[in-house]
Amino acid sequence: DTEVTQTPKHLVMGMTNKKSLKCEQHMGHRAMYWYKQKAKKPPELMFVYSYEKLSINESVPSRFSPECPNSSLLNLHLHALQPEDSALYLCASSQAGNQPQHFGDGTRLSIL
Amino acid sequence: QKEVEQNSGPLSVPEGAIASLNCTYSDRGSQSFFWYRQYSGKSPELIMSIYSNGDKEDGRFTAQLNKASQYVSLLIRDSQPSDSATYLCAVNGGYSGGYNKLIFGAGTRLAVHP
Repeated sequence: DTEVTQTPKHLVMGMTNKKSLKCEQHMGHRAMYWYKQKAKKPPELMFVYSYEKLSINESVPSRFSPECPNSSLLNLHLHALQPEDSALYLCASSQAGNQPQHFGDGTRLSIL
Repeated sequence: QKEVEQNSGPLSVPEGAIASLNCTYSDRGSQSFFWYRQYSGKSPELIMSIYSNGDKEDGRFTAQLNKASQYVSLLIRDSQPSDSATYLCAVNGGYSGGYNKLIFGAGTRLAVHP
């Protein structure tokens, strides 16, 4: 079991739907991350939150909208996604500083 | 462009042998280095962290770091079929007080056969 919890584990949505991915950690970490991973590729960084503020947006399309309501929670709001957005979406967290990231189990997203 | 290079494999080793995985990185300013294991369809799992030159051992795993040559390696002793996975090398590519941005290599697929 991981200490970073992601819900849902699987999500199927149409291109006109709006949905949200959720991530929660209770390790006291102050940095949280969203990644996208396609099959046989490494994780690709999307967003970084540090102390609940958006620190990095890796030029992600606006159909992905992150939100950090508090230090333990991270959301990713999805709207009008494309079939190529189908992937494994990973949340990670880390302590402040030069520390490793710990990943959740991910949400497998399929866009019809 | 900061890069992390790994041989994609597959690296095939017999059960009980030593598996050696290698990684090179381009940014001389990198300060932290990590190995993650990822089973097919699962998320990455941290197995080793290393910050200074030399060897660091944890059970059957040894991480080696050489900053002068800009490489980091992972040795797995007494390899087991359950070690068959993709191993991702990650190097810090941006560090502020609040977060640690990682650059991932493409991953090396390890296959341990009985």
